[in-house]
Amino acid sequence: DAMVIQNPRYQVTQFGKPVTLSCSQTLNHNVMYWYQQKSSQAPKLLFHYYDKDFNNEADTPDNFQSRRPNTSFCFLDIRSPGLGDAAMYLCATSRRPGAASNQPQHFGDGTRLSIL
Amino acid sequence: KQEVTQIPAALSVPEGENLVLNCSFTDSAIYNLQWFRQDPGKGLTSLLLIQSSQREQTSGRLNASLDKSSGRSTLYIAASQPGDSATYLCAVLNTGNQFYFGTGTSLTVIP
Repeated sequence: DAMVIQNPRYQVTQFGKPVTLSCSQTLNHNVMYWYQQKSSQAPKLLFHYYDKDFNNEADTPDNFQSRRPNTSFCFLDIRSPGLGDAAMYLCATSRRPGAASNQPQHFGDGTRLSIL
Repeated sequence: KQEVTQIPAALSVPEGENLVLNCSFTDSAIYNLQWFRQDPGKGLTSLLLIQSSQREQTSGRLNASLDKSSGRSTLYIAASQPGDSATYLCAVLNTGNQFYFGTGTSLTVIP
């Protein structure tokens, strides 16, 4: 059974048109992450939530926002997508580290975003 | 900021060979290191996780080692099979609660 679910699997949007990607988890994990992965590159961390605390990476563009209304759901909002934002977006979860450093990070299957 | 590097970037081996993938990281203040497999167009599948206090972990034909003080990890794959063809990524969880990924090694196992 899928534990980290991303919807949709494929998303097409127009240049400049806002788009929202969603992620849900059944693991009750404290931490949820959003990554951007472009072709043949490593996933790049955009931001993460530790419970309700939002942590933005310094080089994440302002165009990217996130919401976590509850433990199970996290959303990635791209306010004005540009052609350079076409990529695979990966959501992941993990338990609180330190006390749970033996717990792996779980990934969803990703949403592939295309910009027309 | 943590930098994670994987060598080689691509590797092609005949079926049945044993092989080693390398991962290095610059900041040893980590909680754990995780190895993932990624098939084209798919998400990441966790293979092995090594806690910072551990030296190695094994799962089937896979063995991962960790030398935290030198900032290195290796993933050993025994008796490679065509189904092992994928991109292999390592990631470290640092004490700032962030995962940083390596650049990946693209493995092709030739039948």
